[in-house]
Amino acid sequence: QSVLTQPPSVSAAPGQKVTISCSGSSSNIGNNYVSWYQQLPGTAPKLLIHDNDKRPSGIPDRFSGSKSGTAATLGITGLQTGDEADYYCVAWDSRLSAVLFGGGTKLTVL
Amino acid sequence: EVQLVESGGGLVQPGGSLRLSCAASGFTLSAHDMHWVRQATGKGLEWVSAVGIAGDIYYLNSVKGRFTISRESAKNSLYLQMNSLRAEDTALYYCARVSLNALDVWGQGTMVTVSS
Repeated sequence: QSVLTQPPSVSAAPGQKVTISCSGSSSNIGNNYVSWYQQLPGTAPKLLIHDNDKRPSGIPDRFSGSKSGTAATLGITGLQTGDEADYYCVAWDSRLSAVLFGGGTKLTVL
Repeated sequence: EVQLVESGGGLVQPGGSLRLSCAASGFTLSAHDMHWVRQATGKGLEWVSAVGIAGDIYYLNSVKGRFTISRESAKNSLYLQMNSLRAEDTALYYCARVSLNALDVWGQGTMVTVSS
């Protein structure tokens, strides 16, 4: 069972916007950076967001990240069928001295 | 090109051992924190272990005492020695590099199957 809680699935139509939440605690999200990853079927994860809200070079601005307190959110606008994937939030946990992954959220673009 | 390539996976009996390798190219592995992350088939990602630039080491509780992470600068490689393997260790194991406070480069993974 993941300490970072994500919804198992979200869905939206092409062109629409979706948000994926990630809930944690003061020992992880509350006091450490959050990153987000996209995993397309059969491939390795890909970094989408680092340092809570920053996009690495090459990641389109359709992807955004935010953090407030002990929760983080990934936003995706202008949804495309190619965005169908599993999305994971990640944060260091200072109490556990361990990296935590959220359980993952499957995005379906209807 | 910055790249990570894992190897060493395979089929092993419960209680057995395997040593996974992760060869880095296009960057100096010892200049980055490095992690191992695993994924059981059809399941989510699970962090396994990390080694910091300063040599600090961290493990998932369930692998402590059984797994050992290490790196070799001369070979620009990361390793994961896995002993006393259990069925629940069956997964695809990825190595990943840390930069920008995140796992910015991932390998393609190597499959470990623990079964009799």
